[in-house]
Amino acid sequence: EAEVAQSPRYKITEKSQAVAFWCDPISGHATLYWYRQILGQGPELLVQFQDESVVDDSQLPKDRFSAERLKGVDSTLKIQPAELGDSAMYLCASSRFGGGEGTGELFFGEGSRLTVL
Amino acid sequence: QKEVEQNSGPLSVPEGAIASLNCTYSDRGSQSFFWYRQYSGKSPELIMSIYSNGDKEDGRFTAQLNKASQYVSLLIRDSQPSDSATYLCAVKRRNSGGSNYKLTFGKGTLLTVNP
Repeated sequence: EAEVAQSPRYKITEKSQAVAFWCDPISGHATLYWYRQILGQGPELLVQFQDESVVDDSQLPKDRFSAERLKGVDSTLKIQPAELGDSAMYLCASSRFGGGEGTGELFFGEGSRLTVL
Repeated sequence: QKEVEQNSGPLSVPEGAIASLNCTYSDRGSQSFFWYRQYSGKSPELIMSIYSNGDKEDGRFTAQLNKASQYVSLLIRDSQPSDSATYLCAVKRRNSGGSNYKLTFGKGTLLTVNP
Protein backbone atom coordinates (compact mmCIF):
# COMPACT_ATOMS: atom_id res chain seq x y z
CA GLU A 1 0.00 0.00 0.00
CA ALA A 2 1.35 3.41 -0.97
CA GLU A 3 2.38 5.63 1.92
CA VAL A 4 3.59 9.13 2.62
CA ALA A 5 7.18 8.94 3.80
CA GLN A 6 8.58 11.41 6.31
CA SER A 7 11.91 11.82 8.05
CA PRO A 8 13.22 12.13 10.63
CA ARG A 9 10.61 10.64 12.98
CA TYR A 10 12.08 12.44 15.94
CA LYS A 11 14.33 15.48 16.22
CA ILE A 12 15.72 17.12 19.33
CA THR A 13 17.51 20.40 18.86
CA GLU A 14 18.54 23.45 20.78
CA LYS A 15 16.93 26.81 20.17
CA SER A 16 18.55 28.91 17.46
CA GLN A 17 19.64 25.81 15.53
CA ALA A 18 18.38 24.92 12.06
CA VAL A 19 16.04 21.98 11.47
CA ALA A 20 14.83 20.34 8.28
CA PHE A 21 12.07 17.82 7.61
CA TRP A 22 11.58 15.79 4.45
CA CYS A 23 8.44 14.34 2.90
CA ASP A 24 7.79 12.08 -0.09
CA PRO A 25 4.07 11.96 -0.98
CA ILE A 26 2.11 9.11 -2.52
CA SER A 27 2.99 8.76 -6.18
CA GLY A 28 0.58 10.66 -8.38
CA HIS A 29 -0.66 12.96 -5.63
CA ALA A 30 -0.25 16.49 -6.91
CA THR A 31 -1.18 18.24 -3.69
CA LEU A 32 1.17 18.20 -0.70
CA TYR A 33 0.53 19.73 2.69
CA TRP A 34 2.63 20.51 5.73
CA TYR A 35 0.68 20.74 8.98
CA ARG A 36 1.87 21.55 12.48
CA GLN A 37 0.13 19.92 15.41
CA ILE A 38 0.71 21.10 18.94
CA LEU A 39 -0.20 18.61 21.66
CA GLY A 40 -3.93 18.75 22.37
CA GLN A 41 -4.72 20.78 19.24
CA GLY A 42 -5.85 19.94 15.74
CA PRO A 43 -3.45 20.09 12.80
CA GLU A 44 -2.80 23.63 11.54
CA LEU A 45 -1.94 24.11 7.88
CA LEU A 46 1.48 25.69 7.34
CA VAL A 47 1.84 25.37 3.58
CA GLN A 48 0.07 23.72 0.66
CA PHE A 49 1.67 22.89 -2.67
CA GLN A 50 0.03 22.16 -5.99
CA ASP A 51 2.78 20.40 -7.93
CA GLU A 52 5.80 22.67 -7.33
CA SER A 53 3.80 25.85 -6.65
CA VAL A 54 2.79 27.19 -3.26
CA VAL A 55 -0.97 27.77 -3.21
CA ASP A 56 -1.38 28.62 0.48
CA ASP A 57 1.28 29.68 2.96
CA SER A 58 -0.78 32.24 4.84
CA GLN A 59 -0.06 30.60 8.21
CA LEU A 60 3.64 29.93 7.61
CA PRO A 61 5.90 32.08 9.84
CA LYS A 62 8.02 33.20 6.95
CA ASP A 63 10.67 34.90 9.06
CA ARG A 64 11.91 31.49 10.19
CA PHE A 65 10.09 28.83 8.18
CA SER A 66 10.60 27.93 4.55
CA ALA A 67 9.26 25.14 2.37
CA GLU A 68 10.02 23.93 -1.12
CA ARG A 69 8.93 21.27 -3.54
CA LEU A 70 11.34 21.86 -6.38
CA LYS A 71 10.38 19.10 -8.81
CA GLY A 72 6.80 18.74 -7.69
CA VAL A 73 7.47 15.48 -5.92
CA ASP A 74 9.20 15.44 -2.52
CA SER A 75 9.31 18.44 -0.22
CA THR A 76 11.43 19.96 2.53
CA LEU A 77 10.29 22.12 5.43
CA LYS A 78 13.00 24.13 7.19
CA ILE A 79 13.06 26.08 10.41
CA GLN A 80 15.89 28.52 11.10
CA PRO A 81 16.34 29.46 13.85
CA ALA A 82 14.25 27.09 15.92
CA GLU A 83 12.43 28.51 18.94
CA LEU A 84 11.01 26.81 22.01
CA GLY A 85 7.46 27.33 20.73
CA ASP A 86 8.21 25.31 17.61
CA SER A 87 8.08 22.07 19.57
CA ALA A 88 5.29 20.12 17.88
CA MET A 89 4.51 17.30 15.47
CA TYR A 90 5.08 18.24 11.85
CA LEU A 91 2.77 16.29 9.61
CA CYS A 92 3.06 15.90 5.87
CA ALA A 93 0.04 14.80 3.86
CA SER A 94 -0.84 14.36 0.21
CA SER A 95 -4.01 14.14 -1.85
CA ARG A 96 -5.22 14.05 -5.41
CA PHE A 97 -5.89 17.42 -6.99
CA GLY A 98 -9.19 19.14 -7.43
CA GLY A 99 -12.56 19.79 -5.88
CA GLY A 100 -14.45 16.67 -6.71
CA GLU A 101 -15.36 13.88 -4.36
CA GLY A 102 -12.35 12.02 -3.06
CA THR A 103 -9.90 14.82 -3.63
CA GLY A 104 -10.14 16.17 -0.10
CA GLU A 105 -9.06 12.91 1.41
CA LEU A 106 -5.64 13.44 2.88
CA PHE A 107 -3.15 10.69 3.52
CA PHE A 108 -0.73 11.51 6.31
CA GLY A 109 2.80 10.41 6.93
CA GLU A 110 3.86 9.26 10.38
CA GLY A 111 4.98 12.75 11.30
CA SER A 112 8.18 14.31 12.59
CA ARG A 113 8.15 15.15 16.28
CA LEU A 114 10.32 18.16 17.06
CA THR A 115 11.52 19.04 20.54
CA VAL A 116 13.34 22.35 20.96
CA LEU A 117 15.39 22.70 24.16
CA GLN B 1 -16.02 32.31 15.39
CA LYS B 2 -13.66 29.46 14.70
CA GLU B 3 -13.88 27.83 11.30
CA VAL B 4 -14.37 24.34 12.71
CA GLU B 5 -15.46 23.75 16.29
CA GLN B 6 -15.56 20.56 18.31
CA ASN B 7 -16.01 19.82 21.99
CA SER B 8 -12.57 18.82 23.21
CA GLY B 9 -14.00 16.27 25.62
CA PRO B 10 -13.02 13.95 26.98
CA LEU B 11 -16.08 11.93 26.06
CA SER B 12 -16.30 8.72 28.03
CA VAL B 13 -18.66 5.88 27.09
CA PRO B 14 -18.96 2.26 28.24
CA GLU B 15 -18.09 -0.56 25.88
CA GLY B 16 -21.01 -1.41 23.61
CA ALA B 17 -22.61 2.03 23.85
CA ILE B 18 -23.10 4.59 21.07
CA ALA B 19 -20.56 7.40 20.99
CA SER B 20 -21.75 10.68 19.46
CA LEU B 21 -19.23 13.24 18.27
CA ASN B 22 -20.25 16.67 17.01
CA CYS B 23 -18.75 19.39 14.86
CA THR B 24 -19.93 22.78 13.61
CA TYR B 25 -18.41 24.91 10.87
CA SER B 26 -18.69 28.58 9.99
CA ASP B 27 -18.34 28.74 6.18
CA ARG B 28 -21.60 27.97 4.38
CA GLY B 29 -19.62 27.43 1.21
CA SER B 30 -17.92 24.36 2.65
CA GLN B 31 -18.22 21.42 0.33
CA SER B 32 -16.82 18.29 1.88
CA PHE B 33 -16.58 16.97 5.39
CA PHE B 34 -14.30 14.39 6.92
CA TRP B 35 -13.70 12.55 10.16
CA TYR B 36 -10.19 11.49 11.04
CA ARG B 37 -9.16 9.25 13.90
CA GLN B 38 -5.86 9.90 15.67
CA TYR B 39 -4.41 7.52 18.20
CA SER B 40 -2.06 8.97 20.79
CA GLY B 41 1.34 9.67 19.26
CA LYS B 42 0.18 8.69 15.76
CA SER B 43 -0.87 10.62 12.68
CA PRO B 44 -4.51 11.11 11.64
CA GLU B 45 -6.21 8.51 9.48
CA LEU B 46 -9.37 9.08 7.48
CA ILE B 47 -12.38 7.06 8.63
CA MET B 48 -15.37 8.80 7.02
CA SER B 49 -16.14 11.36 4.35
CA ILE B 50 -19.53 12.91 3.60
CA TYR B 51 -20.50 15.29 0.81
CA SER B 52 -24.28 15.67 0.87
CA ASN B 53 -26.98 16.15 3.46
CA GLY B 54 -28.13 13.08 5.33
CA ASP B 55 -26.50 10.01 6.75
CA LYS B 56 -23.67 7.87 5.47
CA GLU B 57 -22.99 4.53 7.08
CA ASP B 58 -19.83 2.44 7.01
CA GLY B 59 -19.82 -0.51 9.37
CA ARG B 60 -20.16 0.76 12.93
CA PHE B 61 -19.64 4.36 11.85
CA THR B 62 -22.34 6.77 10.67
CA ALA B 63 -21.60 10.31 9.54
CA GLN B 64 -24.44 12.82 9.50
CA LEU B 65 -24.43 16.15 7.67
CA ASN B 66 -26.87 19.04 7.99
CA LYS B 67 -25.70 21.92 5.81
CA ALA B 68 -28.56 24.20 6.84
CA SER B 69 -27.43 23.95 10.47
CA GLN B 70 -23.73 23.77 9.49
CA TYR B 71 -23.40 20.65 11.56
CA VAL B 72 -21.59 17.36 11.12
CA SER B 73 -21.64 14.42 13.48
CA LEU B 74 -20.11 10.98 13.81
CA LEU B 75 -21.86 8.11 15.54
CA ILE B 76 -19.93 5.03 16.61
CA ARG B 77 -22.16 2.07 17.42
CA ASP B 78 -21.10 -0.79 19.67
CA SER B 79 -18.09 1.21 20.86
CA GLN B 80 -14.96 -0.80 21.56
CA PRO B 81 -11.93 0.06 23.71
CA SER B 82 -9.94 0.13 20.45
CA ASP B 83 -12.06 3.13 19.39
CA SER B 84 -10.42 5.20 22.14
CA ALA B 85 -8.71 8.01 20.27
CA THR B 86 -9.04 11.65 19.30
CA TYR B 87 -11.54 12.27 16.52
CA LEU B 88 -10.83 15.21 14.26
CA CYS B 89 -13.49 16.90 12.16
CA ALA B 90 -12.19 18.46 8.93
CA VAL B 91 -13.95 20.72 6.46
CA LYS B 92 -12.93 21.42 2.86
CA ARG B 93 -13.75 24.69 1.18
CA ARG B 94 -12.31 27.03 -1.40
CA ASN B 95 -9.60 29.37 -0.17
CA SER B 96 -10.10 33.14 -0.05
CA GLY B 97 -8.85 33.59 -3.61
CA GLY B 98 -11.17 30.91 -4.91
CA SER B 99 -8.42 29.22 -6.87
CA ASN B 100 -7.79 26.33 -4.59
CA TYR B 101 -9.19 24.23 -1.78
CA LYS B 102 -8.11 24.05 1.81
CA LEU B 103 -8.85 21.56 4.54
CA THR B 104 -9.34 22.97 8.04
CA PHE B 105 -9.34 20.78 11.13
CA GLY B 106 -11.08 21.18 14.44
CA LYS B 107 -9.22 20.69 17.71
CA GLY B 108 -10.53 17.16 18.07
CA THR B 109 -12.61 15.29 20.63
CA LEU B 110 -10.92 12.74 22.87
CA LEU B 111 -13.05 9.61 23.15
CA THR B 112 -12.46 7.00 25.83
CA VAL B 113 -14.33 3.69 25.69
CA ASN B 114 -14.30 1.93 29.04
CA PRO B 115 -14.32 -1.90 29.14
